[in-house]
Amino acid sequence: GNSVTQMEGPVTLSEEAFLTINCTYTATGYPSLFWYVQYPGEGLQLLLKATKADDKGSNKGFEATYRKETTSFHLEKGSVQVSDSAVYFCALSSPNFGNEKLTFGTGTRLTIIP
Amino acid sequence: EAQVTQNPRYLITVTGKKLTVTCSQNMNHEYMSWYRQDPGLGLRQIYYSMNVEVTDKGDVPEGYKVSRKEKRNFPLILESPSPNQTSLYFCASSLSAGEQFFGPGTRLTVL
Repeated sequence: GNSVTQMEGPVTLSEEAFLTINCTYTATGYPSLFWYVQYPGEGLQLLLKATKADDKGSNKGFEATYRKETTSFHLEKGSVQVSDSAVYFCALSSPNFGNEKLTFGTGTRLTIIP
Repeated sequence: EAQVTQNPRYLITVTGKKLTVTCSQNMNHEYMSWYRQDPGLGLRQIYYSMNVEVTDKGDVPEGYKVSRKEKRNFPLILESPSPNQTSLYFCASSLSAGEQFFGPGTRLTVL
């Protein structure tokens, strides 16, 4: 079955540091890949997505590239801010008979200190 | 404003007392889904619905029921809650594959 493995947290960085959160996946077919972000006390919000190999998703300074050869979708940001503190989830979707279920990783808690 | 709403946001109850968590979306989405979030496990799908009157089990359906009588509403029903159903629950809806919109969550504690 499908699965997502992401970097264990928590991750603590200083403001303006470079961020990488690793994500690898196992899936049948050609999944779409996503990063969702969960701010304290809120639901999940889509951060970025990529729907085919070599696509790069980007939003709010975050980027991730769909690497089929390494089955990876690592999240990066060049200079993090305190406001980026949140839990980040890598996820994939491989629709199966109409079920658009998202398969999530376990989440990575990121804390940015001033 | 496009949104998914859930009620209640917080609920403490006792074992065996039936409860319903409501979910409503105003985006005319056909697909809706319920997830539960537990530490170290990420989010797992409980039930989903592809359209009105069409529902099916996700990965962890035991102890839950759902219904989809109207397109906008997708309530989650716990007929006889147990402590292992203590969790954070999210409703989601989607128009296209994968890009799902999530509600704010319902934190349920079953004593």
